[in-house]
Amino acid sequence: GENVEQHPSTLSVQEGDSAVIKCTYSDSASNYFPWYKQELGKGPQLIIDIRSNVGEKKDQRIAVTLNKTAKHFSLHITETQPEDSAVYFCAASRPSRGGYNKLIFGAGTRLAVHP
Amino acid sequence: DAGITQSPRHKVTETGTPVTLRCHQTENHRYMYWYRQDPGHGLRLIHYSYGVKDTDKGEVSDGYSVSRSKTEDFLLTLESATSSQTSVYFCAISESGGGYPYEQYFGPGTRLTVT
Repeated sequence: GENVEQHPSTLSVQEGDSAVIKCTYSDSASNYFPWYKQELGKGPQLIIDIRSNVGEKKDQRIAVTLNKTAKHFSLHITETQPEDSAVYFCAASRPSRGGYNKLIFGAGTRLAVHP
Repeated sequence: DAGITQSPRHKVTETGTPVTLRCHQTENHRYMYWYRQDPGHGLRLIHYSYGVKDTDKGEVSDGYSVSRSKTEDFLLTLESATSSQTSVYFCAISESGGGYPYEQYFGPGTRLTVT
């Protein structure tokens, strides 16, 4: 089955610096790759996603890149702010006949942004 | 949390007792999911539903059952709780259509402790 590995498990940056989190997946049929941000005591919040027909997607300070050949995708956060501190999860899913998502998650990255 | 509520939000129960967690959505989304979150494992899919009375197993379904009698409600039952089922449980929902994965949104979670 699908396996998603996420690195690093913890990341500490200074405010204003960039942060990069990387994930690799094993199932070459995977075609949907969302990223979630989880703050303490809350549910995961979808922040950006990418589908396999594009290589990069950007939304203000966050961007995601996808390399289908190498089977890896990355989250880039620029100009980090203290409120970016959270746990970030990547996930992958493959097509299904019914349109549902059986997401396979990475183990998470705890990002700390220091003022 | 995208019109998703979970109840209870916290529960402590004893080994061997039955427990039912409830997920309620106001979005009229077709698909509903139950995940558990444990340190070092990210989120893992327990069961999902693709319509009223239509459910299927996820990757960690042993010891759990689900029911969906109405579009808006998805119940997760632990028939006889064990300490290994101590976890945070999240419900999620997604739209449907054409076999293409749609965004998945999560509820606030239920923290379950089995003593």
